[in-house]
Amino acid sequence: RKEVEQDPGPFNVPEGATVAFNCTYSNSASQSFFWYRQDCRKEPKLLMSVYSSGNEDGRFTAQLNRASQYISLLIRDSKLSDSATYLCVILTGGGNKLTFGTGTQLKVEL
Amino acid sequence: DAGVTQSPTHLIKTRGQHVTLRCSPISGHKSVSWYQQVLGQGPQFIFQYYEKEERGRGNFPDRFSARQFPNYSSELNVNALLLGDSALYLCASSLGNTGDGELFFGEGSRLTVL
Repeated sequence: RKEVEQDPGPFNVPEGATVAFNCTYSNSASQSFFWYRQDCRKEPKLLMSVYSSGNEDGRFTAQLNRASQYISLLIRDSKLSDSATYLCVILTGGGNKLTFGTGTQLKVEL
Repeated sequence: DAGVTQSPTHLIKTRGQHVTLRCSPISGHKSVSWYQQVLGQGPQFIFQYYEKEERGRGNFPDRFSARQFPNYSSELNVNALLLGDSALYLCASSLGNTGDGELFFGEGSRLTVL
């Protein structure tokens, strides 16, 4: 079983739609959780951290359910510029070893 | 301020050859990590160095090695290249050793092995 599992998509949605991505992780000792964004043929960039209490950054809301080992990302009022691959990421153990999911591809269309 | 810089950006090698990839972290960052990203997959952790010491190693064969220099720049070496080593190699830097999860990635070195 992969440490981090995501639906690869692609999710094709119209502009203005609300879209939700899910991610599950297998290691219950995982400490920290993140969503990274990767544009086509570019490097990944941190989108937001994910906390148990849930956190929001503008149109983006992230949620963590430790009991179910489940992470989500909700994008409201999607824009063309949101088109990218969204990577679910966990940090387990010391150091900076991040474990990435395969990513979910989002395409926002006119 | 310059971000993470990597060189070369693209390279083509043949099976059995050796490759050296280079990375300069953001000024002031002391930790460098290397990741391999195969097409259609997320990045896979290879190594982390902090203060010139190896602090983590992923599930890669001994053909992969790395080091960090006194100026915190880093090299990733891959010997006896295989077709399956074709990938985007990403370098990431961060201030410290322990994770707040924010790694700053370079644009990567795209390696093709023929």
